[in-house]
Amino acid sequence: AQSVSQHNHHVILSEAASLELGCNYSYGGTVNLFWYVQYPGQHLQLLLKYFSGDPLVKGIKGFEAEFIKSKFSFNLRKPSVQWSDTAEYFCAVMVSGGYNKLIFGAGTRLAVHP
Amino acid sequence: GAGVSQTPSNKVTEKGKYVELRCDPISGHTALYWYRQSLGQGPEFLIYFQGTGAADDSGLPNDRFFAVRPEGSVSTLKIQRTERGDSAVYLCASSASHEQYFGPGTRLTVT
Repeated sequence: AQSVSQHNHHVILSEAASLELGCNYSYGGTVNLFWYVQYPGQHLQLLLKYFSGDPLVKGIKGFEAEFIKSKFSFNLRKPSVQWSDTAEYFCAVMVSGGYNKLIFGAGTRLAVHP
Repeated sequence: GAGVSQTPSNKVTEKGKYVELRCDPISGHTALYWYRQSLGQGPEFLIYFQGTGAADDSGLPNDRFFAVRPEGSVSTLKIQRTERGDSAVYLCASSASHEQYFGPGTRLTVT
């Protein structure tokens, strides 16, 4: 069965630090990849997505992610975090032929201190 | 415009009772999904509707769970004989293509 692993459950950073959240998936076929964010008290929102083409995708609020097919990875990055980035981040995979259902990782809770 | 809405936002019920959770998708979205999110975990797929029909219900945990979407818009997730293990946040999402838009969820607590 397909699965998604997020390596860090909790990350604590100071403002202006760089961020990288790991995401690996297990599926050998074609995938679409997503990062969702859930700010405190809010619902899940799409941060960025990869369908095809340039493996480096840019999303909202300065976030980017790189799809490395050989490593089955889709890590999320941001060069300089802000206090307002405090949230929970979920990586998700949509497999080809999977009726568009999303398979989520367990999430990474990010706390940014001023 | 209006996003996905879900009612109620919170539901507390006793073990063994029946509950219904409602999802109002974004207007015009033909695809509708239900997910369940337990504490400390990511959302877990339950069922997917394309129009009125359930295209994939492989995520429903057992026959106590059932969902309908009779007119291809609003959907209701129904849980019979609730158990404490059903306590979770139930999320609904709708989509017109590959991007899914999530609602705020219904927090179900079974006592």
